[in-house]
Amino acid sequence: AQSVTQLGSHVSVSEGALVLLRCNYSSSVPPYLFWYVQYPNQGLQLLLKYTSAATLVKGINGFEAEFKKSETSFHLTKPSAHMSDAAEYFCAVSDRGYSSASKIIFGSGTRLSIRP
Amino acid sequence: SAVISQKPSRDICQRGTSLTIQCQVDSQVTMMFWYRQQPGQSLTLIATANQGSEATYESGFVIDKFPISRPNLTFSTLTVSNMSPEDSSIYLCSVRAGATYEQYFGPGTRLTVT
Repeated sequence: AQSVTQLGSHVSVSEGALVLLRCNYSSSVPPYLFWYVQYPNQGLQLLLKYTSAATLVKGINGFEAEFKKSETSFHLTKPSAHMSDAAEYFCAVSDRGYSSASKIIFGSGTRLSIRP
Repeated sequence: SAVISQKPSRDICQRGTSLTIQCQVDSQVTMMFWYRQQPGQSLTLIATANQGSEATYESGFVIDKFPISRPNLTFSTLTVSNMSPEDSSIYLCSVRAGATYEQYFGPGTRLTVT
């Protein structure tokens, strides 16, 4: 079965510092991976997705993630944190890979805080 | 992409009552999903709702407690029945749209049961 594990339920960085949110996946099929962001009192917004094309995926708001098969990882990074990045971030995997019948399974989430 | 709206955005309900949440999409979609997000938790899939067929429920969720309707390709409802305080959660509607199988989420319905 497909699953994702997010390391660290809470990450705090200073404004301007590197953001690194960790996600490891387990998948019996070629994985279809996502990062979503949830701002306070809002729904989920897709940040980026990996569909087996380029291993380095660029998303919105300056975020990117690198797919590393050897490490089964899909960590999310941003070179310079901004106060507006404070939110909950969810790593997710499709339960059937790249399929019209798939559904998304979410990790436990990482809350990102930004220190002034 | 798809634009999703949900009604109500929030509600406070009495124990033992039921609440129906509506989900409207701005385009026709085949697959719609209902998720629950309990306070401080991740998202858990309740069921998948395809138009013209019965909803498929995930383990731990039953139709008597969470009946779902899907009358057409742009609309669905989720009812939370015989509510208890443990049902206090955010309920999110989600759809799959486009050829890339991306899932989009509505703003959620924040339910508090007293």
